[in-house]
Amino acid sequence: EAQVTQNPRYLITVTGKKLTVTCSQNMNHEYMSWYRQDPGLGLRQIYYSMNVEVTDKGDVPEGYKVSRKEKRNFPLILESPSPNQTSLYFCASSLQGGEETQYFGPGTRLLVL
Amino acid sequence: AQRVTQPEKLLSVFKGAPVELKCNYSYSGSPELFWYVQYSRQRLQLLLRHISRESIKGFTADLNKGETSFHLKKPFAQEEDSAMYYCALLNTGFQKLVFGTGTRLLVSP
Repeated sequence: EAQVTQNPRYLITVTGKKLTVTCSQNMNHEYMSWYRQDPGLGLRQIYYSMNVEVTDKGDVPEGYKVSRKEKRNFPLILESPSPNQTSLYFCASSLQGGEETQYFGPGTRLLVL
Repeated sequence: AQRVTQPEKLLSVFKGAPVELKCNYSYSGSPELFWYVQYSRQRLQLLLRHISRESIKGFTADLNKGETSFHLKKPFAQEEDSAMYYCALLNTGFQKLVFGTGTRLLVSP
């Protein structure tokens, strides 16, 4: 089944404790992206990647890192999480670029205490 | 700067009533616009895009460049249409989607 998967789905952590949220797609998509969803703010893009080893900042990249060593994986790294990073995170992928239909993961709900 | 505005946080209608979810945008280039939908406990998915000019689940959206709008319409709402709807604009230069803040549609029996 073609899909985007994220792990973990739920995470509670404490300020400053490094964490990684994984994202994987099995559709051979070149484009992958991370968003955060906050009440009243909608979805905001954190980082995106056009292909392996090609990543770029979205609208709200501060406090996040990403890497794209393989086509299928696009992990989101929070080196030192803070409470303002408490949010619902979505990974998405599309065939080639933002103009293509984006396929979203199920979301990861993160709480930083 | 590109921006997508969805002025209504919540739209509540009765089954069978017409629905219009508003979306306005600002973008200096030629816009590509989308509607994404998120049903309860499901992931976000594409509903329709203006470039394909199709009707999905009875919904249509017309790009009005004069009014910079891309409103989503359905003549007769169904209970299963209850969901969160996001309008999105593609920034072609940076290959990224800019989302509005979303409108929750609630269709009551």
